[in-house]
Amino acid sequence: GQQVMQIPQYQHVQEGEDFTTYCNSSTTLSNIQWYKQRPGGHPVFLIQLVKSGEVKKQKRLTFQFGEAKKNSSLHITATQTTDVGTYFCAAYTGTASKLTFGTGTRLQVTL
Amino acid sequence: NAGVTQTPKFRVLKTGQSMTLLCAQDMNHEYMYWYRQDPGMGLRLIHYSVGEGTTAKGEVPDGYNVSRLKKQNFLLGLESAAPSQTSVYFCASTDGGGGGKNIQYFGAGTRLSVL
Repeated sequence: GQQVMQIPQYQHVQEGEDFTTYCNSSTTLSNIQWYKQRPGGHPVFLIQLVKSGEVKKQKRLTFQFGEAKKNSSLHITATQTTDVGTYFCAAYTGTASKLTFGTGTRLQVTL
Repeated sequence: NAGVTQTPKFRVLKTGQSMTLLCAQDMNHEYMYWYRQDPGMGLRLIHYSVGEGTTAKGEVPDGYNVSRLKKQNFLLGLESAAPSQTSVYFCASTDGGGGGKNIQYFGAGTRLSVL
């Protein structure tokens, strides 16, 4: 079945540093979604990318979808303690009814 | 608007006991899902439903059963709990089809321990 790999598994940064997580698929994706899960919380939708090479920004967060639609990245500029959590990429598979999640990247931010 | 509500929030079971986790959504969504989340494993799909009266197996269905008798409810059952089923369980729903973005809305989760 389709696999969606994410790296790194964990990253610890000082507040103000940048952070990037990468998502790679073995197959071409129709679209990709990103979710954030705060510690002890539940996943919350951040954004969806659909077009090849698409770039979207949400304040300090920049999301990219690769030209071949097999990879994606999330970049956070000047991290803050509020960015702490696990970031998941996810893609619909098969009949567009099942969402396959990446393994997630846990971000820790310290002062 | 409550969104997706899961009950109970916490539960401790003994091996061999049974229980049912309830998920209710008030967004009139067609699709509903049950995931389990274990440390370092991300979210794994147990079962899902694309409409009232339908269910389908996900990635890790063994040891679980589900029912979708009403559109707004999706039940996850453990007939004979095992320690390997200790996990955090999340329910999610989405409108499905071509209308929206197929954004999944998650409940707050059920933390289950099987001793």
